[in-house]
Amino acid sequence: AQTVTQSQPEMSVQEAETVTLSCTYDTSESDYYLFWYKQPPSRQMILVIRQEAYKQQNATENRFSVNFQKAAKSFSLKISDSQLGDAAMYFCAFISYNAGNMLTFGGGTRLMVKP
Amino acid sequence: KAGVTQTPRYLIKTRGQQVTLSCSPISGHRSVSWYQQTPGQGLQFLFEYFSETQRNKGNFPGRFSGRQFSNSRSEMNVSTLELGDSALYLCASSLGDRVSGANVLTFGAGSRLTVL
Repeated sequence: AQTVTQSQPEMSVQEAETVTLSCTYDTSESDYYLFWYKQPPSRQMILVIRQEAYKQQNATENRFSVNFQKAAKSFSLKISDSQLGDAAMYFCAFISYNAGNMLTFGGGTRLMVKP
Repeated sequence: KAGVTQTPRYLIKTRGQQVTLSCSPISGHRSVSWYQQTPGQGLQFLFEYFSETQRNKGNFPGRFSGRQFSNSRSEMNVSTLELGDSALYLCASSLGDRVSGANVLTFGAGSRLTVL
């Protein structure tokens, strides 16, 4: 079974600054995907970024980038130029390559953005 | 295109009753999965349906069940409701293939169930 751990229940960042959210996972699988999802107060889960485990290059989506360390089983999310709209719960999630759509989520990190 | 639609958005039930939640996936998506979100347990996988068949099941009691129709719409049912079933129930859809690039889930806004 997989586990996903987010060790930071809450983080805060000043608007326009950079923040990094941590995530570690444990699995015996070699092929998998990792995701960061954002859940704003509206509760709608929104995909932020996705990383395929076989790709060594870190994924980037505009102001969002990841630092994927497969050997260390670490998958952190960096948000650059933070905006007020980035305030939300962020969930790290794992899915095995051949497990259909069974996501395993971390406990979440609440990100606050200060103006 | 239309997103994932969940109905009802909010509902209140009493202990012992049963409830049915509905999820309409994005057009063309054949996989629908359900998740329960509570403050104490976080996000937990309930089950996944693909082409009307349950493909995966999480660790929930038999009171939780689901089904998928030929148009890929899915319903989940919880019988004999308990206070602990109060949660946000999220549905997600995807193309459903097990190949690279297809495992991207799009979530609905959720159904918030309160059990009194």
